[in-house]
Amino acid sequence: QKEVEQNSGPLSVPEGAIASLNCTYSDRGSQSFFWYRQYSGKSPELIMFIYSNGDKEDGRFTAQLNKASQYVSLLIRDSQPSDSATYLCAVIKAAGNKLTFGGGTRVLVKP
Amino acid sequence: NADVMQNPRHLVRRRGQEARLRCSPMKGHSHVYWYRQLPEEGLKFMVYLQKENIIDESGMPKERFSAEFPKEGPSILRIQQVVRGDSAAYFCASSPGQAPGNTIYFGEGSWLTVV
Repeated sequence: QKEVEQNSGPLSVPEGAIASLNCTYSDRGSQSFFWYRQYSGKSPELIMFIYSNGDKEDGRFTAQLNKASQYVSLLIRDSQPSDSATYLCAVIKAAGNKLTFGGGTRVLVKP
Repeated sequence: NADVMQNPRHLVRRRGQEARLRCSPMKGHSHVYWYRQLPEEGLKFMVYLQKENIIDESGMPKERFSAEFPKEGPSILRIQQVVRGDSAAYFCASSPGQAPGNTIYFGEGSWLTVV
């Protein structure tokens, strides 16, 4: 079992719709959870992080964390073509400061 | 991302040469991380450093790779005797402290091509 798992996609979403991305992790003691966006040939760009159970909203993005079920999700509302990218879920385990990344979900927003 | 400064952005080396990649963290950040992304693959942790200390190098290949973060100056990732398989994007990241609650920001990356 991979430490951080994501569906590789592509997730095809009509413009204006909600994109829903999921991520599961194996280490129950994980502390912090991050979502990054990466365009092809570019570096990861931090979207948001969450470390408490529940929802965290920032603009069109909402992160949801459920530690009991060991999953974290990202919702993108009013999806735009510019949101087309690979979305990376990353986790910091209980000890240390090391980000462990999932393989990423490729999102395609179609006009 | 631009506040984590990496250079060079692109580097071409012949097999057997040395590659040195530099990273200056964001102002106020004392924690530096190096990640590697092979073509069409995910990001893999290499090493985590604080000033003058290697905290976690569990992702570093045992040979040819080394990293440092001196008291003064940038962090450096050094790859000796490069091989074609070292061709990848190398990303540096920094944070002000430890998790939870501390965000980790990435630089724009250094793309190494070994010919």
